Amino acid sequence: QVQLQESGPGLVKPSQTLSLTCTVFGGYISSGDHYWSWIRQHPGKGLEWIGYIYYSGSTHYNPSLRSRVTMSVDTSKNQFSLNLSSVTAADTAVYYCVTSPRAATPTGWFDPWGQGSLVTVSS
Amino acid sequence: QSVLTQPPSVSGAPGQRVTISCTGSSSNIGSPYDVHWYQVLPGTAPKLLIYANKNRPSGVPDRFSGSKSGPSASLAIAGLQAEDEANYYCQSYDRSLSAWVFGGGTKLTVL
Repeated sequence: QVQLQESGPGLVKPSQTLSLTCTVFGGYISSGDHYWSWIRQHPGKGLEWIGYIYYSGSTHYNPSLRSRVTMSVDTSKNQFSLNLSSVTAADTAVYYCVTSPRAATPTGWFDPWGQGSLVTVSS
Repeated sequence: QSVLTQPPSVSGAPGQRVTISCTGSSSNIGSPYDVHWYQVLPGTAPKLLIYANKNRPSGVPDRFSGSKSGPSASLAIAGLQAEDEANYYCQSYDRSLSAWVFGGGTKLTVL
């Protein structure tokens, strides 16, 4: 049973870069069976898919965030990461790392989810 | 404004059946893209409830069922229980946006 756990600063200053890491337990990113995504939820609002990365390093970002998003993967640590640059208060959200089955792409579902990491953008 | 449209709220008494709609367009649900549903209990991460329109992951009660027709999908919950009170989100893929998209969420209140 794969489990995901987010880690990173809970507070980021405006204009800086938000950085989060997701550690995968119970499975291997390098297996190639899944895409590894980030999804966020603004306070009291809906869910927004940010993008995904494959074990090879190939990525696909939400066009609405593409100019500010960079994802990376470290298969030796079984981790993948999110960098979101030039953040503003509008980027305050709970950030989830999730996985989806590659075989079901692009119509795939997200399961499981990490517990979520609240990131607040404030000076 | 979410790409997929859900009612903001629904309610029902214990034991009743409720449905939650999810309306899209020809670039997402109306294309051959599946719909998935998630349950978000207060203070917890989303949980996959229904995948590929009508399939339940292991451990999800058969009180939950999903369907899809044209550019719309529905989640039905039969025999409502107090523990079902949560937010529910639909999700699909949009080929015009080239992105996975979600509905705005529906808050289910068990009266």
